[in-house]
Amino acid sequence: AQKVTQAQTEISVVEKEDVTLDCVYETRDTTYYLFWYKQPPSGELVFLIRRNSFDEQNEISGRYSWNFQKSTSSFNFTITASQVVDSAVYFCALSDNDRGSTLGRLYFGRGTQLTVWP
Amino acid sequence: KAGVTQTPRYLIKTRGQQVTLSCSPISGHRSVSWYQQTPGQGLQFLFEYFSETQRNKGNFPGRFSGRQFSNSRSEMNVSTLELGDSALYLCASSFRQGAYEQYFGPGTRLTVT
Repeated sequence: AQKVTQAQTEISVVEKEDVTLDCVYETRDTTYYLFWYKQPPSGELVFLIRRNSFDEQNEISGRYSWNFQKSTSSFNFTITASQVVDSAVYFCALSDNDRGSTLGRLYFGRGTQLTVWP
Repeated sequence: KAGVTQTPRYLIKTRGQQVTLSCSPISGHRSVSWYQQTPGQGLQFLFEYFSETQRNKGNFPGRFSGRQFSNSRSEMNVSTLELGDSALYLCASSFRQGAYEQYFGPGTRLTVT
């Protein structure tokens, strides 16, 4: 069964628009970790955030914010006032001990291609 | 601080050959993980090494193997290459083993013909 679902395959916005990338995860573990990574055209995955399952406080970092809701198993990512440089593929990932997995192993969603037009 | 480095960046091999990819983690990082990225399967975990021991293994055939050296550098080897092994192979390092932030290298693009 898929552990991380990113239903939005592609999103296009115009610069300065706000955009939210959705992430829904599945785990039976009570202790787990969620991540967001950015993959620009160069190919290198860039770490954005790590959140553990006990910390549901939303986080803001500049134009980036994350909304973690355990009740809906979602960890959504919002970019405010998007810029052309935000164009990339964004991946949500989960690490847990459920179903034979072990912490340290990341399960990635299929990613959302974000294109920001000038 | 230098990031994760991977060599070579690009590689073209023929079916049936074997290949070795190298990864040097961020200085001070002792955990190294490998991932395969393909358009069809997305990002998939291969294995994780910590203190020269394999700690985690993904669902890949035995043709895929790896090792870690005492300086934390890691290599992965793929024997008897198949066309389906064409992919971007990404290495990630982390300070400790476990669910800590992993920092990725630029990857090795392997093409099997």
